[in-house]
Amino acid sequence: DTAVSQTPKYLVTQMGNDKSIKCEQNLGHDTMYWYKQDSKKFLKIMFSYNNKELIINETVPNRFSPKSPDKAHLNLHINSLELGDSAVYFCASSQESGTFSYEQYFGPGTRLTVT
Amino acid sequence: AQSVTQPDIHITVSEGASLELRCNYSYGATPYLFWYVQSPGQGLQLLLKYFSGDTLVQGIKGFEAEFKRSQSSFNLRKPSVHWSDAAEYFCAVDALNAGNMLTFGGGTRLMVKP
Repeated sequence: DTAVSQTPKYLVTQMGNDKSIKCEQNLGHDTMYWYKQDSKKFLKIMFSYNNKELIINETVPNRFSPKSPDKAHLNLHINSLELGDSAVYFCASSQESGTFSYEQYFGPGTRLTVT
Repeated sequence: AQSVTQPDIHITVSEGASLELRCNYSYGATPYLFWYVQSPGQGLQLLLKYFSGDTLVQGIKGFEAEFKRSQSSFNLRKPSVHWSDAAEYFCAVDALNAGNMLTFGGGTRLMVKP
């Protein structure tokens, strides 16, 4: 009964490849997010997305792009992978309209290793 | 730009001892404030949050946090630590004008001695 799930859990790939990480939430939330956690455990927001608006952290390279086939999914595509992209990527979701929540629920993370 | 500082990178306490993890933020107004916990190899779990009202908020697992506007702080406390509390703790801020995107502190790793 996982609320926010991500696949794969681990991803090892070579520099220059293109890869995707999938995220699904079954909470009925209207907003989803991607975060990057580096080797020093520092967490940084990458994107916030609902069906109306995509907000991009200006420091995120345009090799990263979120794609949402429907409200329950927000996949992360990464082109031309670089060594510095190695990190743990977390998906999260929240309900931002109609409630006063702002509580984000996080997935278990995807550890990406670029060699 | 808003920022969140957790001054202590590592903290070690004995089981049964009290705990306080520090968090300071830099923002002109009062943002929404959160504490999350991350166990090894796991995602983040919300411990508690502050939006407005009573400045002492209670969370899960016996944790509480106090918002002090004058100090721009939101410190996390627990009166008696259990070995299972060993984890990484993150303070986070939602400045409301950032599309509900959280800004996290650098984290504090808590180790618990038997």
